Amino acid sequence: EAGVAQSPRYKIIEKRQSVAFWCNPISGHATLYWYQQILGQGPKLLIQFQNNGVVDDSQLPKDRFSAERLKGVDSTLKIQPAKLEDSAVYLCASSLGGGSSNEQFFGPGTRLTVL
Amino acid sequence: AQSVTQPDIHITVSEGASLELRCNYSYGATPYLFWYVQSPGQGLQLLLKYFSGDTLVQGIKGFEAEFKRSQSSFNLRKPSVHWSDAAEYFCAVSPGDKLSFGAGTTVTVRA
Repeated sequence: EAGVAQSPRYKIIEKRQSVAFWCNPISGHATLYWYQQILGQGPKLLIQFQNNGVVDDSQLPKDRFSAERLKGVDSTLKIQPAKLEDSAVYLCASSLGGGSSNEQFFGPGTRLTVL
Repeated sequence: AQSVTQPDIHITVSEGASLELRCNYSYGATPYLFWYVQSPGQGLQLLLKYFSGDTLVQGIKGFEAEFKRSQSSFNLRKPSVHWSDAAEYFCAVSPGDKLSFGAGTTVTVRA
């Protein structure tokens, strides 16, 4: 079974530029998550989708971050404009459904460096 | 709000020695509890989880964890560490359907 795919794996941009990350979840997984993992910290949930609807985006900095999950499958996370403090690993995860009884499967992440 | 504390930022252990990673949580009730491992350049992999029942939980790769309600702890153990266990380990809690992670413990294995 294929795992969660993410691209690109690495990205370096200047501050104030824009960047987009892509995630392809495990086939059949209805729930998709985006996490931000800053160096030395644990992952922090940014947004959770159930199919193509947003369940929780309370921790998403909406002035610069946006995310969508068209057709309830792939998802993109965008940052515009980027700040230095956005340097982090962005992890995508998916699960069969919401709820902690459903294991979340994580992708390898995209490491973003903002200069 | 719930919180997770992993007191040890970095642990070095000899190959073949035992390993114990500490995790304390703060929450009004007993949440669901998890341990994940993250190898360099990899995503997080679930080692084990506790929902209810037997407080000693067995996981993959020879790991186990013990839930102690009185101490609000969920410590991870492995009797004999292999070089491939070098990684970062995260404890996480979930009172509902959201995961809240600790800051992680980096494990270095020396030959």
